[in-house]
Amino acid sequence: SSELTQDPAVSVALGQKVRITCQGDSLRNYFASWYQQKPGQAPVLVIFSKNNRPSGIPDRFSGSTSRDTASLTIAGAQAEDEADYYCYSRDSSGDHVVFGGGTKLTVL
Amino acid sequence: QLQLQESGPGLVKPSETLSLTCTVSRGSISTSNYYWGWIRQPPGKGLEWIGSVYYSGSTYYNPSLKSRVTISVDTSKNQFSLNLSSVTAADTAVYFCARDFVRGVMAYLDYWGQGTLVTVSS
Repeated sequence: SSELTQDPAVSVALGQKVRITCQGDSLRNYFASWYQQKPGQAPVLVIFSKNNRPSGIPDRFSGSTSRDTASLTIAGAQAEDEADYYCYSRDSSGDHVVFGGGTKLTVL
Repeated sequence: QLQLQESGPGLVKPSETLSLTCTVSRGSISTSNYYWGWIRQPPGKGLEWIGSVYYSGSTYYNPSLKSRVTISVDTSKNQFSLNLSSVTAADTAVYFCARDFVRGVMAYLDYWGQGTLVTVSS
């Protein structure tokens, strides 16, 4: 089991806002980063260092953290946002890194 | 922009050693503050970090795999490599290499290879 816990599946209506969460004790001390993965493709970094977007990532993607929970919010989900999303951060020891189990986002 | 490409056998026999290489292009592997990591994904499952190496040779590994993993770097070739020993069918996965920033409170993987499927089977 992962030290970072994600809901296995989340759905959102087209154009609506959705939040994907990642819970873990280490998130009280370390920032999460977030990755989007579509079938058959490598993951793509969408949020790093709490709420920074790499070049080319739409501004509808944002990140936040509260206590032990990091969140990825998509404001106005598009059909192309349907994918698996993973969080990633240091583990509770601080000596290693770990992925969350992943959340499958369905855009209805 | 930076590119990473995995290479190595797609089929490995049980109990043998899985060996993969990641070649970095359009940038230097000898870059301060960045490690170079390996991540894997079994079919239909989530991502698992395997370990990372700095250009100096310093490494850190997933504790659950540490006894079987060696990651090394060759700065002259701009490559880093993964060896995973005593493989079983559970090691069948797509293996990705990536650039790994880990510093202070931050950790992220900003550039990824396309991934390579390695199947463990006799």
